[in-house]
Amino acid sequence: GAVVSQHPSRVICKSGTSVKIECRSLDFQATTMFWYRQFPKKSLMLMATSNEGSKATYEQGVEKDKFLINHASLTLSTLTVTSAHPEDSSFYICSARQGIGELFFGEGSRLTVL
Amino acid sequence: SQKIEQNSEALNIQEGKTATLTCNYTNYSPAYLQWYRQDPGRGPVFLLLIRENEKEKRKERLKVTFDTTLKQSLFHITASQPADSATYLCALDAEGFQKLVFGTGTRLLVSP
Repeated sequence: GAVVSQHPSRVICKSGTSVKIECRSLDFQATTMFWYRQFPKKSLMLMATSNEGSKATYEQGVEKDKFLINHASLTLSTLTVTSAHPEDSSFYICSARQGIGELFFGEGSRLTVL
Repeated sequence: SQKIEQNSEALNIQEGKTATLTCNYTNYSPAYLQWYRQDPGRGPVFLLLIRENEKEKRKERLKVTFDTTLKQSLFHITASQPADSATYLCALDAEGFQKLVFGTGTRLLVSP
């Protein structure tokens, strides 16, 4: 299957700093990328949907100024958590697909804000 | 409101038995439904996709059914093995394929 690479896998930062997570589709062009957040033992919560070259569509309750999403090319999307606080600590997972159908997921990024 | 619910948070079965997981949805009209497997600390991995006009889909020891009248999908793992222990998630497209929404997940534990 297609490969989606997500980096970093783990990041620890101080409160108030910003953290960028990258998501790359390695062997296909991703028309759409999705960013999910997952709390321990919970399901995936969709944060936003991004299409290449256009602004991301955020889900209700997700602060677009805190979670900046950029989908600069058909193979790269980034999530920047700005002015991170301890409550932003979570497991963030990106996914990508070409057209409709199955999603290919990255390995996830564990963010810990001290 | 829209919901995707999986029948149980956790399911324990013995090796060799058939595991059956349920996914029910409310106020969605999906054209297809998907099942994923997620291991701890990893991203989900796609398993199967079933379309609204398909009643059943099989892949090796996996079988998925889709009943659009009941608004339910069943996911079966036959001859289960300890290696099948994981969280299984159903997902469906919403808003004209604009996004994929996941169910609550079921943690399956297969004991030797």
